Amino acid sequence: AQKITQTQPGMFVQEKEAVTLDCTYDTSDQSYGLFWYKQPSSGEMIFLIYQGSYDEQNATEGRYSLNFQKARKSANLVISASQLGDSAMYFCAMRVEQFYFGTGTSLTVIP
Amino acid sequence: EAGVTQFPSHSVIEKGQTVTLRCDPISGHDNLYWYRRVMGKEIKFLLHFVKESKQDESGMPNNRFLAERTGGTYSTLKVQPAELEDSGVYFCASSQAAVYYNEQFFGPGTRLTVL
Repeated sequence: AQKITQTQPGMFVQEKEAVTLDCTYDTSDQSYGLFWYKQPSSGEMIFLIYQGSYDEQNATEGRYSLNFQKARKSANLVISASQLGDSAMYFCAMRVEQFYFGTGTSLTVIP
Repeated sequence: EAGVTQFPSHSVIEKGQTVTLRCDPISGHDNLYWYRRVMGKEIKFLLHFVKESKQDESGMPNNRFLAERTGGTYSTLKVQPAELEDSGVYFCASSQAAVYYNEQFFGPGTRLTVL
């Protein structure tokens, strides 16, 4: 069965600090993609970062990096130097054919 | 280039009424997806169109939901008759290809409230 698990319903981080949002996945497929999306209070889903199952290096996009540990089936999102605008809901997703999403983590950045 | 658009942004209806949601994908994207997020739960897949054909509708909750994509452009999702448990945010997404490494671009969602 395909499943994404995000165990942190809510997280707080001090501005300018780094934060890690956890994500584990389950699939028997060999080819899959792992995605993180940000959903601010306005509601739109903003793509942040992607990691392919065959990628050996961790993906990075600016202040976002994905800590991919294939053996552990984890794909944690690391946000460095948090900003107030990072406060939002964050969804981890896995794509085999369709997307499978976790329940999300609400991140609050404290000034 | 315009992104995925959805209409309306909000809809409040009474139980038993009908509502039709619309999604306009990014131009040239053959693949169109519908998802739903019920409050506090994960975003769940409803169905997938490739052009005008339903590729996968395994996530459709029941026969009160009808999705169409005539002409392979925009898509509509009709709920008839609506029930209380249908409340949630309905997202549409599109992508050029249906492969695992291809990003899906999401619309802003339609928030449906059934009273």
